[in-house]
Amino acid sequence: GDSVTQMEGPVTLSEEAFLTINCTYTATGYPSLFWYVQYPGEGLQLLLKATKADDKGSNKGFEATYRKETTSFHLEKGSVQVSDSAVYFCALSDSGTGGFKTIFGAGTRLFVKA
Amino acid sequence: DGGITQSPKYLFRKEGQNVTLSCEQNLNHDAMYWYRQDPGQGLRLIYYSQIVNDFQKGDIAEGYSVSREKKESFPLTVTSAQKNPTAFYLCASAGGGLNTIYFGEGSWLTVV
Repeated sequence: GDSVTQMEGPVTLSEEAFLTINCTYTATGYPSLFWYVQYPGEGLQLLLKATKADDKGSNKGFEATYRKETTSFHLEKGSVQVSDSAVYFCALSDSGTGGFKTIFGAGTRLFVKA
Repeated sequence: DGGITQSPKYLFRKEGQNVTLSCEQNLNHDAMYWYRQDPGQGLRLIYYSQIVNDFQKGDIAEGYSVSREKKESFPLTVTSAQKNPTAFYLCASAGGGLNTIYFGEGSWLTVV
């Protein structure tokens, strides 16, 4: 079945460092891909998405490119801030029996130090 | 403002009691979902509903029940049969092409 694998955390960076969180997926169809962010004690917020191969999603300085050839959707940010400390979830959504199902990775916790 | 409202934010339950978590959305979304999140863990799907008066079990439905009598509402009941109910519960909905899911703020349930 479909699955999402993302790098284990926690990831600890200093402010203004470059961030990469790896995400790879397996899917039988042509899924849409997402990154969500979860701040402590809150629900998940959609950060960015891409719906087809070679699309680049971007938001708040974060970006990720849908790479079908490597089945990847790595999240990057050029210069992280303390306020970016959160848990980041990679996800895919694909159609199947019963409609669309969204499958989430295990999450990667990011700590940014001042 | 449009969104997904979960209540209560915090709930304490005695062992053996059933409790119901509320989820309301005004996004006119057809699909609604319930996820469970344990501390430091990912999300696990409990139940989902693609349309009013219809719902399907997710990966961990045992000990939970839902109803979908109205498009806007998808309450989750945590029954006494759920042996380890202490967790963070997230309600979500999806509309349009049904492939972008949006979340509420979550509800913390603690068994005391």
